[in-house]
Amino acid sequence: SSELTQDPAVSVALRQTVRITCQGDSLKKYYANWYQQKPGQAPVLVIYGKDNRPSGIPDRFSGSISGNTATLTITGAQAEDEADYYCNSRGGSGDHVVFGGGTKLTVL
Amino acid sequence: QVQLQQWGAGLLKPSETLSLTCGVSGGSFSGFYWSWVRQAPGKGLEWIGEISHIGSINYNPSLKSRASISVDTSKNQLALKVTSVTAADTAVYYCARGRGHYPYWFFDLWGRGTLVTVSS
Repeated sequence: SSELTQDPAVSVALRQTVRITCQGDSLKKYYANWYQQKPGQAPVLVIYGKDNRPSGIPDRFSGSISGNTATLTITGAQAEDEADYYCNSRGGSGDHVVFGGGTKLTVL
Repeated sequence: QVQLQQWGAGLLKPSETLSLTCGVSGGSFSGFYWSWVRQAPGKGLEWIGEISHIGSINYNPSLKSRASISVDTSKNQLALKVTSVTAADTAVYYCARGRGHYPYWFFDLWGRGTLVTVSS
């Protein structure tokens, strides 16, 4: 079982806003990060830290944190955003790494 | 541009040892933590362990000491060994670069993954 909890599946209508959440005690100490994974591909970092986007990630992706819950928001979801999304952080003790179970995003 | 290239045996029999290598090209090996992450078919990401360029290592306790990670800084390579594999070890194995400092820490670079299948 993951130390970070995500909803298994979420859907959003094209060009609407969707929020994907990640909950866990480790998020009280370490910021969450978010990865997008499309079938047959390696994960890609889309949000790291408080709300930082690596170069090349569209600005429709944003992150936020409240207590032990991190949220990935996609504002104006596009068809190409359909993918699995994983959150991660270091474990609360700092000596290991944890992933959420992943959220499958469907864009309708 | 930094790239991670992975290689190793893709088909193993139960009880054999999984052995994978990840080479870092185009950038520094120092100053990062290098991890192995795996993903069983249809499942989520599972962190296996990490090593720094100076050899500091952390493992996921769930592998029950079967995993071993090492680094060869002269070649900019890291290696993973998992002993006594079973079908449950069938997965795509990724190497990934970890970076940051408290309270930030993230994987910013991933290898393409290596499918390892354990079957008799």
